[in-house]
Amino acid sequence: ETGVTQSPTHLIKTRGQQVTLRCSSQSGHNTVSWYQQALGQGPQFIFQYYREEENGRGNFPPRFSGLQFPNYSSELNVNALELDDSALYLCASSLSGTIYEQYFGPGTRLTVT
Amino acid sequence: DQQVKQNSPSLSVQEGRISILNCDYTNSMFDYFLWYKKYPAEGPTFLISISSIKDKNEDGRFTVFLNKSAKHLSLHIVPSQPGDSAVYFCAASAPGGWDDMRFGAGTRLTVKP
Repeated sequence: ETGVTQSPTHLIKTRGQQVTLRCSSQSGHNTVSWYQQALGQGPQFIFQYYREEENGRGNFPPRFSGLQFPNYSSELNVNALELDDSALYLCASSLSGTIYEQYFGPGTRLTVT
Repeated sequence: DQQVKQNSPSLSVQEGRISILNCDYTNSMFDYFLWYKKYPAEGPTFLISISSIKDKNEDGRFTVFLNKSAKHLSLHIVPSQPGDSAVYFCAASAPGGWDDMRFGAGTRLTVKP
């Protein structure tokens, strides 16, 4: 059974640029959630996808968008990057109905300069 | 809005002793609480959870206590082992809000041999 993987591990972007982060769900999981973890804080919910549809969204602006593919892998896209977007981005997969037992990937560390 | 708070950024205990990690919440609608453990360069891993209909849940060396009237939960680790050294996050979710889980900022536990 393959765990949750994320790519890239680290990324450096310039303010105003766009970035795409990728996540492969654990085998058999049809739900993926994305979180932003700023330094010294806990993960903050960005949004969730279930069967390729956005299924819930936290308090993040529309320049944060996502996709889920038929194989349940997922992307997080951030447009017009700001310095405050520098953070660890975590994705977590789960089975619908067992959302509490999420399995997290190791995260992508994004630095915006 | 910090609905889940872990007021101790760090905790250091001796191997074999009890570790007590605390978490407070403000939203009385929260009805499910979880603890996650995070090692460096890894995503958070689910440790133990408790529903609001219970006041205690035990799993091996880990016990979570919930005091609803005080809006407080705690994680007890007995006996503590050096391998328990990690950052511990508490998280909470409201009914129907399973897509929006709120995390505390985490407590770094160090267990000294």
